[in-house]
Amino acid sequence: AQSVTQPDIHITVSEGASLELRCNYSYGATPYLFWYVQSPGQGLQLLLKYFSGDTLVQGIKGFEAEFKRSQSSFNLRKPSVHWSDAAEYFCAVGAQGSQGNLIFGKGTNLSVKP
Amino acid sequence: GAGVSQTPSNKVTEKGKYVELRCDPISGHTALYWYRQSLGQGPEFLIYFQGTGAADDSGLPNDRFFAVRPEGSVSTLKIQRTERGDSAVYLCASSLLGTSGRKTQYFGPGTRLLVL
Repeated sequence: AQSVTQPDIHITVSEGASLELRCNYSYGATPYLFWYVQSPGQGLQLLLKYFSGDTLVQGIKGFEAEFKRSQSSFNLRKPSVHWSDAAEYFCAVGAQGSQGNLIFGKGTNLSVKP
Repeated sequence: GAGVSQTPSNKVTEKGKYVELRCDPISGHTALYWYRQSLGQGPEFLIYFQGTGAADDSGLPNDRFFAVRPEGSVSTLKIQRTERGDSAVYLCASSLLGTSGRKTQYFGPGTRLLVL
């Protein structure tokens, strides 16, 4: 069965520091991968997505992610974190053999300290 | 343009009552999804509509849950005989028609349901 694992429940980084959020997936074929961000009381906003091609994808707000098939990973990175980046981050994979419903990880809560 | 909207934003009900949650997708999006997000968890798929029909309802937890989309636009998620375990945020998403899995889904702000 397909699954997504986000090993870190909570991460705290200092403003201006670099960030990496981990995501591992279990999937039998080429996955469609997504990162969403959710601020308190808000819906999910798409940061970036990977379908095929270049394994390093750029997203909004200065985020990027790299697809590594050998490690079944799709880690999210940002070189310099801003206080406004504090939020919940979800990695998701497009479900195989379905109409495209997403399977989400449990999320990583990011705190940013001044 | 307008995004996905959901009403109400919050709903408090008593155990055993019936509730309806509404989703208004982005204009022109033929695909519509419902997800449920429990506290501390990621969203979990409930049901998918392509047009007016439910193409995949495999995520509905039991027969107390039902959803409709009679005109292929607005959708209503209906929960009968609510239980405290139904308390969660119910998210709606819509997307354009596209190759399975490749469709980018745009999410609404959700309806926070609390069953007392």
